[in-house]
Amino acid sequence: SAVISQKPSRDICQRGTSLTIQCQVDSQVTMMFWYRQQPGQSLTLIATANQGSEATYESGFVIDKFPISRPNLTFSTLTVSNMSPEDSSIYLCSVEDPVRGAGYQETQYFGPGTRLLVL
Amino acid sequence: GQQLNQSPQSMFIQEGEDVSMNCTSSSIFNTWLWYKQDPGEGPVLLIALYKAGELTSNGRLTAQFGITRKDSFLNISASIPSDVGIYFCAGQSTSGSRLTFGEGTQLTVNP
Repeated sequence: SAVISQKPSRDICQRGTSLTIQCQVDSQVTMMFWYRQQPGQSLTLIATANQGSEATYESGFVIDKFPISRPNLTFSTLTVSNMSPEDSSIYLCSVEDPVRGAGYQETQYFGPGTRLLVL
Repeated sequence: GQQLNQSPQSMFIQEGEDVSMNCTSSSIFNTWLWYKQDPGEGPVLLIALYKAGELTSNGRLTAQFGITRKDSFLNISASIPSDVGIYFCAGQSTSGSRLTFGEGTQLTVNP
């Protein structure tokens, strides 16, 4: 499976500021996704980021708040803008990658996450 | 929208016991996935299921894709302390589409 890294692994930020999270994959992938996991909660999809097109946002998430870049097939960034304490969460990127030995079947693999605390 | 009900929310078991957890959905999925998340880590894929009725094993883990496509279960046999973590089911309608996650099952294994 693809190896995914994220930077930073964690950060503490002041309200009103913005943080850009980077996601790097060791192979070229078409589909990349950004998820949010609030404390003690499950994962919620923020947006789908495909190279060469605008990101597609889920209901409740907007581009002004969570701008996304996807400059190539191995990299993406998510910015959390004008942060408030409610944005304190784990932000995870994932990629859709072939399942080894399973024919043309793909599944999603996750990065280690970025733990954000907004004061 | 689609919703997944995952149960139980938490389990406290003794080392060596078997564990079972399941997810049910109000809609059909074409793929069911099971992940485990350790503290401070991202979810790690355990098992992927692609066909209704499919039964797949990964070591001590066994998962099944329900015939109706609206449910899946995960069994862990002979649990060990390192099985501790949060287990999530996820459903996917089509390849490349969003994953819908269950609320997670927190597993605690007492030595």
